Amino acid sequence: DGGITQSPKYLFRKEGQNVTLSCEQNLNHDAMYWYRQDPGQGLRLIYYSQIVNDFQKGDIAEGYSVSREKKESFPLTVTSAQKNPTAFYLCASSQDGYTFGSGTRLTVV
Amino acid sequence: AQSVTQPDIHITVSEGASLELRCNYSYGATPYLFWYVQSPGQGLQLLLKYFSGDTLVQGIKGFEAEFKRSQSSFNLRKPSVHWSDAAEYFCAVDVASGGYQKVTFGTGTKLQVIP
Repeated sequence: DGGITQSPKYLFRKEGQNVTLSCEQNLNHDAMYWYRQDPGQGLRLIYYSQIVNDFQKGDIAEGYSVSREKKESFPLTVTSAQKNPTAFYLCASSQDGYTFGSGTRLTVV
Repeated sequence: AQSVTQPDIHITVSEGASLELRCNYSYGATPYLFWYVQSPGQGLQLLLKYFSGDTLVQGIKGFEAEFKRSQSSFNLRKPSVHWSDAAEYFCAVDVASGGYQKVTFGTGTKLQVIP
């Protein structure tokens, strides 16, 4: 079945570390997105990519980086510059509506 | 910039009762409109979408939504709620910005279903 796979489901990061969240899709969608979800704030867009080797900053890109070397993959790196990284991260791809992965919960320890 | 308002943070309904979740948007033209549902710790699932045409759209799980241009609203309804409908519901607006599609989500409405 086609879908989006996010891994890992849970991730713990020490202060000062960079961590990378994986997002893979087999839907053949061109567009992919990363959102951050915090309680009571809905979803906020971090980065998006419409095609391979191209991506754009969203509303809260500071402290994050992405790459889009393959159509299927859109990994997100949470850098040490992100001051409050503890959150639920959702990856999505789109064609006439979003398909979401099941999310990665990142916790700083 | 477009915005989406879901005025109800939390709603409680009895099983079998009808449901209406409110969504208002702010945008100059008619955007694409969506409703998504999220179970705890999971991603979002698309319930239904409106692009154009008939203003009453049917979705999965017995949900429907009605687009009202005059009220800038896209309220979600279900005639009889089941306990399994307890989840968080997000309204979303999709507009083209500089050639890219850009979706803005509301802050969500948590639905509690009581026996």
